[in-house]
Formats: sequence, C-alpha cells, structure tokens
Amino acid sequence: ELKVEQNPLFLSMQEGKNYTIYCNYSTTSDRLYWYRQDPGKSLESLFVLLSNGAVKQEGRLMASLDTKARLSTLHITAAVHDLSATYFCAVDPSSSGAGSYQLTFGKGTKLSVIP
Amino acid sequence: EAGVAQSPRYKIIEKRQSVAFWCNPISGHATLYWYQQILGQGPKLLIQFQNNGVVDDSQLPKDRFSAERLKGVDSTLKIQPAKLEDSAVYLCASSLDIGEYQETQYFGPGTRLLVL
Repeated sequence: ELKVEQNPLFLSMQEGKNYTIYCNYSTTSDRLYWYRQDPGKSLESLFVLLSNGAVKQEGRLMASLDTKARLSTLHITAAVHDLSATYFCAVDPSSSGAGSYQLTFGKGTKLSVIP
Repeated sequence: EAGVAQSPRYKIIEKRQSVAFWCNPISGHATLYWYQQILGQGPKLLIQFQNNGVVDDSQLPKDRFSAERLKGVDSTLKIQPAKLEDSAVYLCASSLDIGEYQETQYFGPGTRLLVL
C-alpha cells in the first residue's frame, strides 16, 4: 500500500521568511502533484512533476522531485499572507509510461503566514 | 471554460438514510473521479471512471456506496444507508484522459455531507 507522508503538518511562519514542506512516499513513482486548498474551498492544482530532478516554480513557490529518495519538496520564498492555505502532495503509483491517475494524497500541511 | 460542477453543496441527513450526489465534469474530459475528504485529511480516491467504464473502485465501500456514469458525462454517487463515519466532503474531479500527458485533475467545489 502506497503511503504518502507530509511534514510538517502545521506550519506558522512570519512574512518574508523562507521554509520547505516535505513529501515522502513509500513506493517507486515518478509522478507527483502539489495542490493548494483554501478553507472551505476545493483543491487547486499547483505543480505537476513527472520525472526525477523535475523542478517547477510559480511565484514564491518552487517544487522539486527526487524519485530516488522518494521525496518532493515545496519551497516557499519570502512568504506573504496570501500563501496561507493547506498544501497537499499526491502521488501516482505508476512508475513509467502512462499514469494511472489513482492518486494517494498526503494529510496536508496547514500553512499560516503571520504579518 | 466552465469548471467541474457538483450539487448539492451541502447535505444533512440522519444515519441509515440515503443520499445522492451529482457531478458534471469539464466538457471533453473522459476521466472522472470521486474522492472522500474527511476533516483534517487528504482526499481519498473512491472510484475512477474512464468514459462510462470503471477503471478502479478498490476503495469504494460497495456494501453501501455506488456510483455510475451512464452516458460517459455526468456521474452520481450514492450512499445507502449512511453511517456517521460517512460525514465528509465528497469531491468530484475530472481530467482529459488517462495516458502519457502532463495532465492534472480539476476538482469541483465538493458536497459537504453531515450524517447525524
């Protein structure tokens, strides 16, 4: 059974600071997704990482994937209040070729950015 | 482009009652998913459709949950009879197709179910 672990589960940080959220998973996979969820809202896609060494950046967020270590990171640079949300990583258990899209999600990291 | 539509947005029922949720995916999306998100947890995949066929339903509690996508577009998820532990948000998502695409899943607003 695929297990996906995120840490930390809760993160309170000051505006302007940098921090990293970690996503570890238990089986071989080269497909990993990051989503954002605001309170009471649905999930919004942030990044799709499809190969070892993949790195994607959007604004103050940068995601990377190390398939050998079974680890993805979501790095936050110079945090602002608008980034406050819950961030989920999700892993597709397919290791090559076509994805199954049967995603297993982590429990999420609730980020609060304090002015 | 319209997103994934779901209804109702909220539902309160008593245990042992039945409930149904409806989902309309993004136009042209062949793959449709139903997820259950319990408070404080990540979404859990219940069932995945490709057009009107089931690809995976290994995590669907089939003694009480059922889902269909008869014409390959809209889908309904039913719970009968409901239990207290079914209280959750039920999310519908869709994606263009299963294959070697750099494709993500697009989520609807969800239906919040409270079972009393």
